[in-house]
Amino acid sequence: DAGVIQSPRHEVTEMGQEVTLRCKPISGHDYLFWYRQTMMRGLELLIYFNNNVPIDDSGMPEDRFSAKMPNASFSTLKIQPSEPRDSAVYFCASSFMVQSGSYTQYFGPGTRLTVL
Amino acid sequence: AQTVTQSQPEMSVQEAETVTLSCTYDTSENNYYLFWYKQPPSRQMILVIRQEAYKQQNATENRFSVNFQKAAKSFSLKISDSQLGDTAMYFCAFMKHGRDDKIIFGKGTRLHILP
Repeated sequence: DAGVIQSPRHEVTEMGQEVTLRCKPISGHDYLFWYRQTMMRGLELLIYFNNNVPIDDSGMPEDRFSAKMPNASFSTLKIQPSEPRDSAVYFCASSFMVQSGSYTQYFGPGTRLTVL
Repeated sequence: AQTVTQSQPEMSVQEAETVTLSCTYDTSENNYYLFWYKQPPSRQMILVIRQEAYKQQNATENRFSVNFQKAAKSFSLKISDSQLGDTAMYFCAFMKHGRDDKIIFGKGTRLHILP
């Protein structure tokens, strides 16, 4: 399997513009997570889905952030309008339940977002 | 609420030496999972090792092993025969067993392997 795929790998945009980050989870995984990583705050969970349904979006910082998962193989994280403080690396991760009942999350390569 | 603490923000060791990274956690749960993730300069988050709390035996993956002390709520990572490619940020993480699949990450330890 190709692993979790994220696009774009790098995004530079100007304040006020809309940004859309994309993720393709590993085939067969039923959980999908969006994280944000900054030097100041470390790794933060923004939202996660189970079987395409959002389960917990309490980590989404503001209404400017929204995430969708229209099907099992695709998810988007949208920021509109973007602000300089949104600059970070955004990770997508997916997981599935193994026989023991546990889960292991596999991460994508991340999208480095810079908002000028 | 669960918390994960990594008390060593940064460490440096010589190549081929053994290094131990510390991690403690706080939880009232009895069934849970612990992880170590590695993030090299490429930014990719890579699973290094995983431990189920119900298993007494410490997990081992090649040069990587853990010392899991459930009563002390400690989960340290030992890297034997360290290599230059081990240079990375290492994150300790906790996840409780059950339908809530959120992982709680520590702040990370930056490890430098020196030639």
